Amino acid sequence: GIQVEQSPPDLILQEGANSTLRCNFSDSVNNLQWFHQNPWGQLINLFYIPSGTKQNGRLSATTVATERYSLLYISSSQTTDSGVYFCAADGSSNTGKLIFGQGTTLQVKP
Amino acid sequence: DAGVIQSPRHEVTEMGQEVTLRCKPISGHNSLFWYRQTMMRGLELLIYFNNNVPIDDSGMPEDRFSAKMPNASFSTLKIQPSEPRDSAVYFCASSRAANQPQHFGDGTRLSIL
Repeated sequence: GIQVEQSPPDLILQEGANSTLRCNFSDSVNNLQWFHQNPWGQLINLFYIPSGTKQNGRLSATTVATERYSLLYISSSQTTDSGVYFCAADGSSNTGKLIFGQGTTLQVKP
Repeated sequence: DAGVIQSPRHEVTEMGQEVTLRCKPISGHNSLFWYRQTMMRGLELLIYFNNNVPIDDSGMPEDRFSAKMPNASFSTLKIQPSEPRDSAVYFCASSRAANQPQHFGDGTRLSIL
């Protein structure tokens, strides 16, 4: 099945800094989603982005399906951005069966 | 609109007991997913349903695990008998269709003593 790898595993930022998180996947995808797990354990869907670019406030994401990677950009980071960011992909089965990466743990310091 | 609702939020029980986790998906969502999260294995899909029908249960670890979706607004995940290694956070998620954005409940933190 599809493999999903995220980098870096850990990231520490000062408030106000920008960052880029990367997600590589081993096969073509029909479904690529980014999630944020906050310190209380809640999983929030950030983007559904099998291809192209989307923006939502300070966050944006780009998926280059032909090169099998996706990037999540966080600009002007805030302490509330802390948590774990997961990328999840569904290969060609198009069934919604998401395979999650191991996540990037982000800590934003005031 | 209400999100995905899971109950209970926390469950502590002794090994060998039956455990039942419950999930109410978002109204109008036709796909429902059960996940398990552990430190060792991360987030794993256990089983998913489309239109109340189980489609893929290949992630269910053992026969001790079972899941049902008797109607569009309710699903259960049952473990019988429970074992300490089943301790984890169990999430339910739903989406409008199989390949659409998934929305997660707050999870059930399960501890088997």
